Amino acid sequence: DSGVTQTPKHLITATGQRVTLRCSPRSGDLSVYWYQQSLDQGLQFLIQYYNGEERAKGNILERFSAQQFPDLHSELNLSSLELGDSALYFCASSPAAGGTDTQYFGPGTRLTVL
Amino acid sequence: AQTVTQSQPEMSVQEAETVTLSCTYDTSENNYYLFWYKQPPSRQMILVIRQEAYKQQNATENRFSVNFQKAAKSFSLKISDSQLGDTAMYFCAFMKFPGRETSYDKVIFGPGTSLSVIP
Repeated sequence: DSGVTQTPKHLITATGQRVTLRCSPRSGDLSVYWYQQSLDQGLQFLIQYYNGEERAKGNILERFSAQQFPDLHSELNLSSLELGDSALYFCASSPAAGGTDTQYFGPGTRLTVL
Repeated sequence: AQTVTQSQPEMSVQEAETVTLSCTYDTSENNYYLFWYKQPPSRQMILVIRQEAYKQQNATENRFSVNFQKAAKSFSLKISDSQLGDTAMYFCAFMKFPGRETSYDKVIFGPGTSLSVIP
């Protein structure tokens, strides 16, 4: 158990809908990262937040957005969902933004868009 | 831009035998970190081993060890005494050592190698 929690574990929805994925980092970690893993794209970095502020942005679509709250949990919002958005979404956390810390991954949320 | 390549999409090994997974990467950086992550059927990502580029000594964690060749930009994972629980997807990953201009820990993952341990 990495200490990072993600909810829900599974999510099934229809095209055009909007969903919110939640992540709670390890106790004491200030950085949260979101990744998308799909069969064709592999593991892709989406976005990073550090202490409530966006720190780095990767291959995140405009239909997706994220935020980190004062209690440091983070939410990834996916809207206007398409079939191709079906994937495993990972959250990871680390203590700092620019240090030498390993990222610790949560168990992931499996999103299925029908 | 950094890239990570794993040239073996699938591998298999007999239980109790030794297997080596290959990883090469491309970077112009001098300071960085390399990781091997394991993703079992449960889909959880588990850190197996980590190597700092400035260290010449190869990292070891129990049955897992790496062969880090910095000049060749190669970072292979050796699993000794393979166990059925080692069956998983293995990802090689690269993280640039943060400098003054860059303060994020973005990790670049390879495509993965699916390892099956056969009883």
